[in-house]
Amino acid sequence: ETGVTQTPRHLVMGMTNKKSLKCEQHLGHNAMYWYKQSAKKPLELMFVYNFKEQTENNSVPSRFSPECPNSSHLFLHLHTLQPEDSALYLCASSQAVSNQETQYFGPGTRLLVL
Amino acid sequence: AQTVTQSQPEMSVQEAETVTLSCTYDTSESDYYLFWYKQPPSRQMILVIRQEAYKQQNATENRFSVNFQKAAKSFSLKISDSQLGDAAMYFCAYRSPSRDQFYFGTGTSLTVIP
Repeated sequence: ETGVTQTPRHLVMGMTNKKSLKCEQHLGHNAMYWYKQSAKKPLELMFVYNFKEQTENNSVPSRFSPECPNSSHLFLHLHTLQPEDSALYLCASSQAVSNQETQYFGPGTRLLVL
Repeated sequence: AQTVTQSQPEMSVQEAETVTLSCTYDTSESDYYLFWYKQPPSRQMILVIRQEAYKQQNATENRFSVNFQKAAKSFSLKISDSQLGDAAMYFCAYRSPSRDQFYFGTGTSLTVIP
């Protein structure tokens, strides 16, 4: 248990559905991240939040919408996804002001888009 | 942009033997942090070891050690006395001090043979 939890762990959705992924960190960190992990590809950074403010959005399609209501919670709202969006979605947290701090990862949400 | 390259998609090692996983990176920054993460099958990604670029001494954590060659931009991971529990995907990562981002390689899948 690394102090970062994600729900749900598995999700199957149709292309017309709307769903949300939730991440919660219990480590007192001030930065949170969403990554997409696909087979045989590097982890793709999607969004970064520092002190609840979004600081990075790496050309992610608008069908992915992040929300960070406070420094402990992070959501990823999904709507009208495509089959190629099927992947493992990882949440991570870290202490943003200290470069030596590593990221702590959640277990991920395995998403399948039909 | 920083890139991280892991040229070995798969590696195998006999139990109790030593294995070295390769990682190279590209950066113009002089100060940064490097990490090795382990992701066991269906389990959370966890930190194995980290190295500060300004330190010449190679980091060591029990059976895990790194060979950090700053001039060559190389950061290999050595696992000594390999155990069955070491079987996992191993990701090399770079943290930029100027941007709150981590850059990951594509991973190396390590199999430990009993």
